[in-house]
Parts: sequence; structure tokens; C-alpha cells
Amino acid sequence: NAGVMQNPRHLVRRRGQEARLRCSPMKGHSHVYWYRQLPEEGLKFMVYLQKENIIDESGMPKERFSAEFPKEGPSILRIQQVVRGDSAAYFCASSLSGGEQFFGPGTRLTVL
Amino acid sequence: AQRVTQPEKLLSVFKGAPVELKCNYSYSGSPELFWYVQYSRQRLQLLLRHISRESIKGFTADLNKGETSFHLKKPFAQEEDSAMYYCALSGGSWGKLQFGAGTQVVVTP
Repeated sequence: NAGVMQNPRHLVRRRGQEARLRCSPMKGHSHVYWYRQLPEEGLKFMVYLQKENIIDESGMPKERFSAEFPKEGPSILRIQQVVRGDSAAYFCASSLSGGEQFFGPGTRLTVL
Repeated sequence: AQRVTQPEKLLSVFKGAPVELKCNYSYSGSPELFWYVQYSRQRLQLLLRHISRESIKGFTADLNKGETSFHLKKPFAQEEDSAMYYCALSGGSWGKLQFGAGTQVVVTP
């Protein structure tokens, strides 16, 4: 089991472009969590998804951010019209059935 | 409001010395508390959770509800303990996690 996979590991975007971050959970895991880490801060919860459902999006910014976890394929965190303040490390975690969360290596987004 | 506070950004200790990482929280209810660790170039991983009351790699942490603290302790630090440590809180069983800002531990020989 390769663990939680995230790609790309590094993503550079110019202001106004779109960023798509992918997360493949551990095999058999149907729960996915996204967290964001700004410099010098801890991880902040963004969204919790199960297959095809958003369970808790209380940490998602109201605009420009969206997440999905389709029946087939990875979970996607999408940021439209990126701004410099979106520069951060984005971590995905997965769990078997809401249990212990296993984290991916993160995607470092840089907005120029 | 929920909050997890780790007052020390950096903790430098000598090998063999005791180490204590402080974590205080605020939560209206009965939270679950966790310690996560991130070694250099590795992923964030669970170190221990309060409900299991176990010792992992010589580390222990006791939940003190009166002081709303969950400090992490180890009596004799080892060089391999050098890492970033995060205290985290969950309001429900294994739900979304709220993290502190983290404490960087450096163990010098």
C-alpha cells in the first residue's frame, strides 16, 4: 500500500489561473480530508468528503474553492482565479471509515 | 471557540535530557486530543492519542481537563526525536482535526 498520494508535489501558478490538486487515498479508504498550512502556522481543516459526498466544508473559503471526491478517481481540490494569499501547502488525509487519518506528502502551491 | 495552543515554536534539548512539549486547548465539550509528528522529509503521522493512554517511542501525554492541557513528555530525549510536533484536537471521534502551530524539537548530542 503506497499510502496517500498527492500530485503534483509542487505547483506554480500566476494570479488568476486555476490550480487543481489531486489526492489518491489509501487503498480501501473512502474518507478524505483536505487541510491547508500557511507559513508559520499549523494545518487548518478545509473540507471532509466521502465518496461523492461533501460531509463538512466548514473550513472552505466561500468563493473560488471547491472540492470533489468522485466515485472513481482521486479527490480534487480546485482553486479558481488564484491569488498570492493562496500560496500554501495543501495536505490531504484519508481514513478507512472516519478513523485514524493518514496524511499525504502535501502539495506546495506558489502563486506568482 | 476551539483552539489549540503550542506556546513553543522551538525546543532545543540535549540528548538524554527530559523533553516536554506544551499543548493547551479550548473546547466546549469532550474533545479527543492527539499528537502528530513529522520527521524530516517524511509525512505527518500520528504519534499518540489520549484515549489509548499508551506510550509510543517513550513519549506519553496525559489529558488534564482541569488545566485543559495535553503536554507531551519523554524522560530521555534521543537524536531521532528531532522533528516537528503538532498537537491536535477533534470534537468528535476521529472527525476533522484542529492543529496547533507546531513545536520544532532539536535534540543535540
